[in-house]
Amino acid sequence: DIQMTQSPSSLSASVGDRVTITCRASQDISNRLAWYQQKPGKVPQLLIYGASTLQSGVPSRFSGNGFGTDFILTISSLQPEDVATYYCQKYNSVPLTFGGGTKVEIK
Amino acid sequence: QLQQSGPGLLKPSQTLSLTCVISGDSVSNKLRTWNWIRQSPSRGLEWLGRTFQRARWTTDYAESVKSRLVINRDTDKNQFSLHLNSVTPEDTAVYYCAREVDWSGLDSWGPGILVTVSS
Repeated sequence: DIQMTQSPSSLSASVGDRVTITCRASQDISNRLAWYQQKPGKVPQLLIYGASTLQSGVPSRFSGNGFGTDFILTISSLQPEDVATYYCQKYNSVPLTFGGGTKVEIK
Repeated sequence: QLQQSGPGLLKPSQTLSLTCVISGDSVSNKLRTWNWIRQSPSRGLEWLGRTFQRARWTTDYAESVKSRLVINRDTDKNQFSLHLNSVTPEDTAVYYCAREVDWSGLDSWGPGILVTVSS
């Protein structure tokens, strides 16, 4: 099975900072990569699919890029409401594997 | 919208049965897949399986639970269900149902049910 590795596992940044999270697939998954945001005690919410397409209603400070095995989620200007854990997920084939998550906190 | 139902507490060796009722869409929609996912501190987010209709109905399972898991659908009630037998404390987790839209990620999730397996 293809493994999904996220880094870092956690980060702390100031409001207004640019934040980047990486996700690496152990094999080529084309652009079949989604990013989710999960706030404490809440259900995961789809942010980005197709590696770079923003889900409807998601703020434009979120962006994604990458293809093949290496992907990046960027928050251009971190806001207090962005405190959450972020997960990548591949969906090119089963199993639909998730990354281990990146916990984002405000410094 | 997805609404889940099922027990929150089971004993080891019992069968976990959860139902996900779909509103505003159809379990037979050929541009959707209907998924079960669980989340625990030890295993993170773990995809368990899915059911969907294309030319025919198809069900896929994660290898880790394949021998114990059955996913069904009921087109009359517009719902799908999870049945996980021989549960152990390792199956303690929050269980979610979720919809995938045509290669666009899991865009709708149920509220989740905390399932605890304990004697």
